[in-house]
Amino acid sequence: DAKTTQPPSMDCAEGRAANLPCNHSTISGNEYVYWYRQIHSQGPQYIIHGLKNNETNEMASLIITEDRKSSTLILPHATLRDTAVYYCIGASGGGADGLTFGKGTHLIIQP
Amino acid sequence: GAVVSQHPSRVICKSGTSVKIECRSLDFQATTMFWYRQFPKKSLMLMATSNEGSKATYEQGVEKDKFLINHASLTLSTLTVTSAHPEDSSFYICSATGVVNEKLFFGSGTQLSVL
Repeated sequence: DAKTTQPPSMDCAEGRAANLPCNHSTISGNEYVYWYRQIHSQGPQYIIHGLKNNETNEMASLIITEDRKSSTLILPHATLRDTAVYYCIGASGGGADGLTFGKGTHLIIQP
Repeated sequence: GAVVSQHPSRVICKSGTSVKIECRSLDFQATTMFWYRQFPKKSLMLMATSNEGSKATYEQGVEKDKFLINHASLTLSTLTVTSAHPEDSSFYICSATGVVNEKLFFGSGTQLSVL
């Protein structure tokens, strides 16, 4: 899996957009960018993934730079329930070789 | 999305006993399942990978005789912590992926406390 770098923590006000950055400068051409989050004492929850194009689903948007060296996860209207550790992972094959989790970003949504 | 069920969610046992954790894919066939462990305030660490019908592949430093993994069907994998000791106390999480999935789905985790 590609090495990724994320800020250890971020704060965001409730109702605002939360923008979580991730650097993955060594990502290879066939590796997707995956985002998962983990709420305390639960298993990781899949959020979104992408290869080259920007992606959007009911949970979030993923913006990948043209050179694929970095990406941003956007939670458009953060709620208190979005407080969690967010992991950005570069991996190929849908995680068929397992996913390597870094330290992630602890996002704290402030009321 | 696909559902992975993990049971039990919490177990407390005495030192020296064995504990079995089950991981089931409820609505898809899981060709590959993974087991992770997580210590407090740390990230997930991959322990082993199991493919249905074959022996599990363990990550470096993980004792295969300590952590027995069975993946007998496409919907069930079990992790048995044998002769558990207090240092085995941790949060264990399974995950699964199928033939056509592009993503990994995770169970809700098992908190193991060994007294």
